[in-house]
Amino acid sequence: DSGVTQTPKHLITATGQRVTLRCSPRSGDLSVYWYQQSLDQGLQFLIQYYNGEERAKGNILERFSAQQFPDLHSELNLSSLELGDSALYFCASSVAAQMNTEAFFGQGTRLTVV
Amino acid sequence: QKEVEQDPGPLSVPEGAIVSLNCTYSNSAFQYFMWYRQYSRKGPELLMYTYSSGNKEDGRFTAQVDKSSKYISLFIRDSQPSDSATYLCAMSAITGSSNTGKLIFGQGTTLQVKP
Repeated sequence: DSGVTQTPKHLITATGQRVTLRCSPRSGDLSVYWYQQSLDQGLQFLIQYYNGEERAKGNILERFSAQQFPDLHSELNLSSLELGDSALYFCASSVAAQMNTEAFFGQGTRLTVV
Repeated sequence: QKEVEQDPGPLSVPEGAIVSLNCTYSNSAFQYFMWYRQYSRKGPELLMYTYSSGNKEDGRFTAQVDKSSKYISLFIRDSQPSDSATYLCAMSAITGSSNTGKLIFGQGTTLQVKP
C-alpha cells in the first residue's frame, strides 16, 4: 500500500457526461500529480499541484480541470467525456515540489466511457 | 519522436534467467532516472532511482545509466515468476524556473517469467 488513496476504483459513464476523480496523498506529501494511462499512449502527465497551487501542466485537455484543497486532497474533473477518454487515471504524491526522487502512486481509477 | 523510447515487448524468459530492460531518450537535460514496476491493474511502484550516470544495485536489480549514449538499463538477476509485470522507465530534469521535475515515462515493457 503506497498510502495514496484514489476513489472510485472504477467508473462507467456515458459520452458527454462529467465525472470527478478524487485523490488523497500520503500523509505529509504536499505535491499531487495526475497521470493518464492508456494502451497506446502509456503514462501521460496531466497536471501537478503543490500545496494548493497549480505548479505544472502537461498534456491536459481543456475539458479537464483539477484542484487541490486546503487538506491537500485533489480532484480531477473530466467533462464532455468522449470515448477516447477511457483510460486509467493515476494520482501520485511526493513531499517536495519535484518528482525527482520518490513519488508514490495510487491504485488508479479506471474510467470507461460508453 | 517520443522523448523516451521503450520496447513494449512482451518479453518472455524462463525462471532464473537474467533479464535486460532498456530505454533510450532524446532530452539531454534528463538527470534523474527511475524504474517503476506495475502489476496488472495496480499503480506503478518505484523500484530503482539513479541520479546522473553510473550503476546502482539493489538485491537482484541493477540499474545502469549511460548519459553519453542516452541509454538506461535495468537488469534483473535470477528472475522469478513474481517478477512478471510491466516495467516502466521514467526520467526527469530540472528545467528553468518551473523546476517541477515531472516524470516522463516510457511505454513500459511487459515481462513474463515462466516457471
